[in-house]
Amino acid sequence: QKEVEQNSGPLSVPEGAIASLNCTYSDRGSQSFFWYRQYSGKSPELIMFIYSNGDKEDGRFTAQLNKASQYVSLLIRDSQPSDSATYLCATYFMDTGRRALTFGSGTRLQVQP
Amino acid sequence: GAGVSQSPSNKVTEKGKDVELRCDPISGHTALYWYRQSLGQGLEFLIYFQGNSAPDKSGLPSDRFSAERTGGSVSTLTIQRTQQEDSAVYLCASSSIRGGLLSTDTQYFGPGTRLTVL
Repeated sequence: QKEVEQNSGPLSVPEGAIASLNCTYSDRGSQSFFWYRQYSGKSPELIMFIYSNGDKEDGRFTAQLNKASQYVSLLIRDSQPSDSATYLCATYFMDTGRRALTFGSGTRLQVQP
Repeated sequence: GAGVSQSPSNKVTEKGKDVELRCDPISGHTALYWYRQSLGQGLEFLIYFQGNSAPDKSGLPSDRFSAERTGGSVSTLTIQRTQQEDSAVYLCASSSIRGGLLSTDTQYFGPGTRLTVL
């Protein structure tokens, strides 16, 4: 069973702090990873993707990928109350032949003013 | 440009009725996906269309579910004889396959259709 695992949370951080969201995946063949943000009652919105080991930065967001450990994370610097949402990690499982993303169940982030 | 659009945004139906959900992908996107998200659950893959290729129907939960994509653009997801367990948000996503590499296929989601089966 191919899986993407995330801690469901909630992860609570104070405004201005760094929020760290983590994701592990079961398939060593996975090559690219996507982070989506989903506000309550809304559809997922792409934040960023990463497919090389190391860090990728986009504004206040940094994605980190460690393929050897099968681990991907999303850091949110200077967290704002508007960042409060569920964050979904997703990847393609290459060996299934299925061209669809497999999503984790998401981590709920609460940024306290 | 315009994003993925879906209609209706909400649909309430009675058990046993058929429903049709529509998705308009981003213009120029050749790949189209349907997912389902039940209350408090993760996203569940249903079906995938890519160009003129045969769709990947491996995620459809039963033969009551079907989908088609006309002219390589608009897609309709049909649920026959709806059951209460079909209640969920149905999400459509589209992407442009860059260089045929699955690993960089970035999907963009529509707003979803919330289906409630009474």
